[in-house]
Amino acid sequence: DIQLTQSPSSLSASVGDRVTITCQANQDITTYLNWYQQKPGKAPKFLIYDVSNLATGVPSRFSGSGSGTNFTLTISGLQPADFATYFCQQYDSLPRTFGPGTRLDIK
Amino acid sequence: QVQLVESGGALVKPGGSLKLSCEAVGFKFDDYFMSWIRQTPGRGLEWIAYISGGSSHTKYADSTKGRFTISRDNAGNSLFLHMSGLEVADTAVYYCARTAGRFDYWGQGTLVTVSA
Repeated sequence: DIQLTQSPSSLSASVGDRVTITCQANQDITTYLNWYQQKPGKAPKFLIYDVSNLATGVPSRFSGSGSGTNFTLTISGLQPADFATYFCQQYDSLPRTFGPGTRLDIK
Repeated sequence: QVQLVESGGALVKPGGSLKLSCEAVGFKFDDYFMSWIRQTPGRGLEWIAYISGGSSHTKYADSTKGRFTISRDNAGNSLFLHMSGLEVADTAVYYCARTAGRFDYWGQGTLVTVSA
């Protein structure tokens, strides 16, 4: 199975800050990497597909980059709605796997 | 708009069985693969299974293979997860998700608790 690790596991930031979350795969997944946002008590929400493509309706302050084994999610100009947990997910191979999540909270 | 609504979660004893359902609206259901994904505080998000639009193709995670069966009824726009031989470790919130490599729409989740 492909294992995804995320760093940091948690992060505190302020409204307006720029934050970067890293996702690392234990083998090459080319660009088969997606990102999700989850708020407490809610289902994950699809954010970014194929490393850098924003899902419909996702604000342009979200961006993604990377390839192979190293990927990043960047949020530029944090808004109150962005404080949540973020997960990466690979679909290079079965089983589909998710990272453990990065919790982003307000400083 | 796309909406997925799960139902069927319950408290079940170890070794018991349960059937989860997911009703889909707002898209052409049989055009899409569908998945079940579960989440626990300890193990995080875990993909369990997917099924192709015409039901010809199914895949399972090793943790549930042989115990869980995914199926669908395209006429009724519904997805199912038949779970048997339930274990305490199967306790989780179960989500259905529309699948196209990515999981682009998720239901609200249904809680399955396995406990004596």
